[in-house]
Amino acid sequence: AQSVTQPDIHITVSEGASLELRCNYSYGATPYLFWYVQSPGQGLQLLLKYFSGDTLVQGIKGFEAEFKRSQSSFNLRKPSVHWSDAAEYFCAVGASNQGGKLIFGQGTELSVKP
Amino acid sequence: GAGVSQSPSNKVTEKGKDVELRCDPISGHTALYWYRQSLGQGLEFLIYFQGNSAPDKSGLPSDRFSAERTGGSVSTLTIQRTQQEDSAVYLCASSQGQGREQYFGPGTRLTVT
Repeated sequence: AQSVTQPDIHITVSEGASLELRCNYSYGATPYLFWYVQSPGQGLQLLLKYFSGDTLVQGIKGFEAEFKRSQSSFNLRKPSVHWSDAAEYFCAVGASNQGGKLIFGQGTELSVKP
Repeated sequence: GAGVSQSPSNKVTEKGKDVELRCDPISGHTALYWYRQSLGQGLEFLIYFQGNSAPDKSGLPSDRFSAERTGGSVSTLTIQRTQQEDSAVYLCASSQGQGREQYFGPGTRLTVT
């Protein structure tokens, strides 16, 4: 069965430090991958997406992610975290043979220390 | 441009009542999705509409849940005979087509008392 795993439920980093949020997936077909961010009481905002091509993708707010097929991973990174990055982050996976639906990870809550 | 909008933003209802949740997708988007977000279950897919094709209802948790999309635009999610376990945030998303990135609305928080 298809699944998405975000191993870290909660991460705390200091402002200015680097960040990596992990995402692993299990999918039978070639996936397409997304990272979304959700601030309290808000909907989901798309950070970045991967469909094909260059495995390192750039997104908004200085985020990037790398697709590693051999590791079934799509980790999110940011070189220097800002206090405004505190939010919950969701990895999502879809596939062309799954219609339009996305399967989401459980989310990682990011806290930023001053 | 305008994003996905949902109404109401909050809904409190008594157990056993029916509720309707509305979604206005981004203009020109042919695909529309409903998801549910709850503490215990995370984000779950409910239903997907693509153009004039039959909707993918594979995520609907029971026959109390139904959805329609009129004129290829606005969608309504209906929950009949609400139960406490239906309490959640219901999120709508739209995309330019199947397999494209999805843009989410702010959600409707449903509380069943």
